[in-house]
Order: sequence, then structure tokens, then C-alpha cells
Amino acid sequence: DGGITQSPKYLFRKEGQNVTLSCEQNLNHDAMYWYRQDPGQGLRLIYYSQIVNDFQKGDIAEGYSVSREKKESFPLTVTSAQKNPTAFYLCASTGYNSPLHFGNGTRLTVT
Amino acid sequence: SQKIEQNSEALNIQEGKTATLTCNYTNYSPAYLQWYRQDPGRGPVFLLLIRENEKEKRKERLKVTFDTTLKQSLFHITASQPADSATYLCAPISNFGNEKLTFGTGTRLTIIP
Repeated sequence: DGGITQSPKYLFRKEGQNVTLSCEQNLNHDAMYWYRQDPGQGLRLIYYSQIVNDFQKGDIAEGYSVSREKKESFPLTVTSAQKNPTAFYLCASTGYNSPLHFGNGTRLTVT
Repeated sequence: SQKIEQNSEALNIQEGKTATLTCNYTNYSPAYLQWYRQDPGRGPVFLLLIRENEKEKRKERLKVTFDTTLKQSLFHITASQPADSATYLCAPISNFGNEKLTFGTGTRLTIIP
């Protein structure tokens, strides 16, 4: 079955540490996206990538970094520069004329 | 800048009635409008897509309309059931896989038995 996998489901970190969230897809999609969702809020776009080795900032990229070395993978690093990193992070992918497929998210808690 | 607004944060509807959710967008001319459903703690799931040249699209108890003049899409759930309770998100788009894709703020729908 094709799909998009985010791991881990829950992640806990101390303030000041960088942390990397994993996102892998086997849908052969070219484009991948990272969103952040805070309680009771909508999705806000962090970064997106339309093709391997290329990515663009979304609306709230500050304090985050990404890489796209392989088509299947789009990891997100939450750096210590991110002021309020505690949130629910969602990864998604899409191909030509295809709606977004989402993973089930990673809930990051930084204390 | 582009703005996508959904009518209300929360909507309570009596079971069996029709729920109507609104999505308005500005500074944008999308070719498609998508609707997604999100359950708590899960990723959104695609429900329906409507093209700019389509007035209406149906799927079982769901109906979507798209008015490019008003820059608005309406999402209807007829004969609503408690299992329809979720957050619903809209997302206008012009080119799949080739653009920044942003979502509306979402409407949390609760169907009251």
C-alpha cells in the first residue's frame, strides 16, 4: 500500500536542542510539504519542495530547516532558533493532478 | 497577499439536518478548490475537488459548489450524522505539485444527536 509515514508519533525535547522529524513517502510524488498546526488552529506552511534538491520557504520558515536529497524523503529540522516549537507537525505529498496525501503527524513537545 | 477564510471556527448542527460550510478566498484565482476532513490527532484526508468550470460536485451525502465570481466555495453535508463531526479544511489550488499550497483556517463541525 502506498502512503506517507511520519515518525515518531510523539517527540519530547529539551529547549535548546535541535530535533529532526522524519517524513517518507512511497507514492512516487514529486512535491512534499511541511505544515505546523497549533491547538484549535489551521495548517500553516513551513517549507515545501517541488523536486529533489530544491525547496522553498513557506509562511513560517524561521527556525526550521529542510533537505530533499531523495524523492521519498523530506526531513524537517526544528532548530533551537524556533521560539515556540511545541506543536503538531504534518507532512504531505502530491503529484500531478493529485490531492495532498498527509501523514498522521508528529506531536513535538519542547520543555 | 492570498487569504483563505472559512465561515466560523465551530459549527453545531442537529443530526439529520444539512451542514453548510463556507470557504472564501481573496487575491487568488485558483483552478481548483479542495476540501479535506481532519479528525483529532490525525492528518487531513481528501474528500472532494471541484474545478473552476464546474458549478457543483457531489459524492454521496457531500456536495460542493464553486463560485469564481464570488470567490467562494460552499461545502454541504446532507442528512448529517454524529460521525461527520470533524474539522473541515478548504484549499484553493492552481497547479498540483507546483505551488505553495495553503489551507483555510478550518471549521470544527459537531453534529448533535
